Amino acid sequence: RKEVEQDPGPFNVPEGATVAFNCTYSNSASQSFFWYRQDCRKEPKLLMSVYSSGNEDGRFTAQLNRASQYISLLIRDSKLSDSATYLCVVNSPGEDSSYKLIFGSGTRLLVRP
Amino acid sequence: SQTIHQWPATLVQPVGSPLSLECTVEGTSNPNLYWYRQAAGRGLQLLFYSVGIGQISSEVPQNLSASRPQDRQFILSSKKLLLSDSGFYLCAWYPGTGNEKLFFGSGTQLSVL
Repeated sequence: RKEVEQDPGPFNVPEGATVAFNCTYSNSASQSFFWYRQDCRKEPKLLMSVYSSGNEDGRFTAQLNRASQYISLLIRDSKLSDSATYLCVVNSPGEDSSYKLIFGSGTRLLVRP
Repeated sequence: SQTIHQWPATLVQPVGSPLSLECTVEGTSNPNLYWYRQAAGRGLQLLFYSVGIGQISSEVPQNLSASRPQDRQFILSSKKLLLSDSGFYLCAWYPGTGNEKLFFGSGTQLSVL
């Protein structure tokens, strides 16, 4: 089983739609969680961190469910510019008390006019 | 402020040739450093991470190696490249003290022919 799993998509939605992505992680000792956005062949950019209480940033809402070991990202009122790959990132314990950042394979979103 | 430099931006190498990709960080000390690879249409795969000089953790057995000769320098190497080594390589730095984002280099597009 992969440490971090995401539905690869693509999700093809019209402008203005609401779309939700889920991501599951296998290591219950994971500490921090993030959503990144990646445009084609560019470095990923942090979209938002995910907090236990849930957090919102404009049209974006992130949720964490530790009991079920999943995080989610909700995008409301989709824009054409939201088209990208969304990467779930989990900070899991590694060797020597270090932490390793594991990426999901990404979910591709296509927003059409 | 902290910055991360990665070079070269693109590289075309023949099969069987050596590889050396360099990553340096400025503005911080004792950073946690990471090398990721992204094959075409795929997610980011963690290759190596390092929590200090001379400390390297390998995630996936493969044709590559990593070294950290100085605190803020992380090098990805290969003695003989394979076709399957082609991909987009990203160096990253993580403060590791909480919900802080991962800082990425601009990436190296490696094509092995």
